[in-house]
Amino acid sequence: ETGVTQSPTHLIKTRGQQVTLRCSSQSGHNTVSWYQQALGQGPQFIFQYYREEENGRGNFPPRFSGLQFPNYSSELNVNALELDDSALYLCASSRTGTETNEKLFFGSGTQLSVL
Amino acid sequence: AQSVTQLGSHVSVSEGALVLLRCNYSSSVPPYLFWYVQYPNQGLQLLLKYTSAATLVKGINGFEAEFKKSETSFHLTKPSAHMSDAAEYFCAVRLQGAQKLVFGQGTRLTINP
Repeated sequence: ETGVTQSPTHLIKTRGQQVTLRCSSQSGHNTVSWYQQALGQGPQFIFQYYREEENGRGNFPPRFSGLQFPNYSSELNVNALELDDSALYLCASSRTGTETNEKLFFGSGTQLSVL
Repeated sequence: AQSVTQLGSHVSVSEGALVLLRCNYSSSVPPYLFWYVQYPNQGLQLLLKYTSAATLVKGINGFEAEFKKSETSFHLTKPSAHMSDAAEYFCAVRLQGAQKLVFGQGTRLTINP
């Protein structure tokens, strides 16, 4: 079990609404990445935050946005929810700047259902 | 752009039998390669990683994988399957210096008693 915690674990929203997902990174980690995992698919990279700034982005529209706070925790915000946004959202933390920066520690995810 | 293909979305083996999960990658430069396992209602756990050191990589829970550049493969094996190995397995690739992991579609491993 990792030290990465995500909240909430489950969430139900309706199309057009906005949602905020939260992630607390593992102690000592300064980088947070977010992934979307649709049912039956592998996770897809949304973006990464390092030093409170976006440090890389996947092929997701601007209505997916994020924040990283001074304590390295992070939020994922999704505006104007669409049915296809229904997925498991995974947060992963790591420590940039050391040999172990390749190792990501994943949380258990937030299951988002959009109706 | 790099990509990963996992051959077989579902693999079923008997307890005690060899486990072989196949992964092929596409990358213009030597990548880092990873295998992750996902148990129901849980996040991803790193099994092992290849980062240009030894081509045969040993991981947790008795799993190992061999990097074969000529075949662009990174297959995952375990000599003897255990019931607790039943899970979803993901192969992933990352370029050196890049931020993102690119995952395959996953292979669901079922263990028959």
